[in-house]
This record gives sequence, C-alpha cells and structure tokens, in this order.
Amino acid sequence: NAGVMQNPRHLVRRRGQEARLRCSPMKGHSHVYWYRQLPEEGLKFMVYLQKENIIDESGMPKERFSAEFPKEGPSILRIQQVVRGDSAAYFCASSPNQQNYGYTFGSGTRLTVV
Amino acid sequence: GESVGLHLPTLSVQEGDNSIINCAYSNSASDYFIWYKQESGKGPQFIIDIRSNMDKRQGQRVTVLLNKTVKHLSLQIAATQPGDSAVYFCAENRGNNNDMRFGAGTRLTVKP
Repeated sequence: NAGVMQNPRHLVRRRGQEARLRCSPMKGHSHVYWYRQLPEEGLKFMVYLQKENIIDESGMPKERFSAEFPKEGPSILRIQQVVRGDSAAYFCASSPNQQNYGYTFGSGTRLTVV
Repeated sequence: GESVGLHLPTLSVQEGDNSIINCAYSNSASDYFIWYKQESGKGPQFIIDIRSNMDKRQGQRVTVLLNKTVKHLSLQIAATQPGDSAVYFCAENRGNNNDMRFGAGTRLTVKP
C-alpha cells in the first residue's frame, strides 16, 4: 500500500510561469490537505478537499492559487504567475475520513522560483 | 487568533537521556492531537496521537501527555538516540473542517 505520493519532488520555475503540484492520496483516502512550509518554519494550512469538492480554502492566497481534487486522478495545486515568494516546500496529506485518524503526509514538492 | 504554539524552539540533549518537547494550544474545542517528526528534506512523519478523552498514551519509546486544564501537550522520548534528531511538531484538530493545524516546531539535537 503506497503512501501519499507527491510529484515532482523538485520544481524550478521562472517568475511568471505556472507551477502544478500533484498529490495522490493513500489508497482508500478520500480527504486531501495541502500545506506550505517555508525554511525553518512550521506547516501552514492552505486547503482541504474531498473528491470534487473544496471543503476549506481559508489558507489559500486569494489570487494565483487554486486547488482541485477530481473524481479521477490526483489532487492538483496550481500556482499561476509564480513569484519568488512562492518558493517553499508544499506538502500534501491525506486521511480516510473526517476524524483525521491516519493523517499521513507525502514527501513534498520543493518549489524554487528563479 | 487561536494557534498551536511551542515553549522551546530548540532542544539539545545527550544521547541516552530522556527528551521532553512541549506544546501549548489555545482552542478548547480541539479534540485530537498528533505529534510529527520531520527530518531534513522529508515530509512530516507520524509519531503518536492522542484524543481529548485521554490524558496519556504510550508508544515505543515515546509518550504523549495531554493536560486539557492548561491546554498543554508534551512528547517524551525515552533514551534519546542520534536518529531522533529532527524537528518535532504538534498538530491539533480544532474540530472545524477536520484539517490539522501545526505549531512552529522544536528542533531536537542529540549529542553523542
């Protein structure tokens, strides 16, 4: 049973380009959460999704950021027109139900904007 | 706003000693807590969890204590080893929308 899979592990984008980060939850998990982590800091909640639904996006910047979790395929975190301040590690977690038991993280995508 | 916080940002211990990492939370509605370990360049790794109807839970070499009266959580690591060196985060489920919220983390360094 594979864990939470994130790809790519490392992503380099020039300012103004788009970044797409993918997250495949653990088998049997239908709840996905995205977090951002700056160096030497904690994880900041961004968005919580279930299949085809955004449940809580209170941590998402109002512009340029979007997330989806389609019926088929991985969850996607999309950042348009990236700026240097978007450089961070982005982690995805998944859980099987609303109670969070079994909340498991992927290895993250490290985004560098040059 | 409400948040999870940590008392000590860094902790250095001697190999073989016991470690205690502390965490304060302010939301009395939080009903589930998880401790995570994060090594450099890796994602957070689940260590141990505890529900609010418990005050203590033990795992292999780790114990989590929950004091709801003072909203305090601690992680105890027995016989700390060099492999325990990492950043440790506590996270709480505030009961709304089920996402876990994290504190800033404590860096544990184990000296040989």
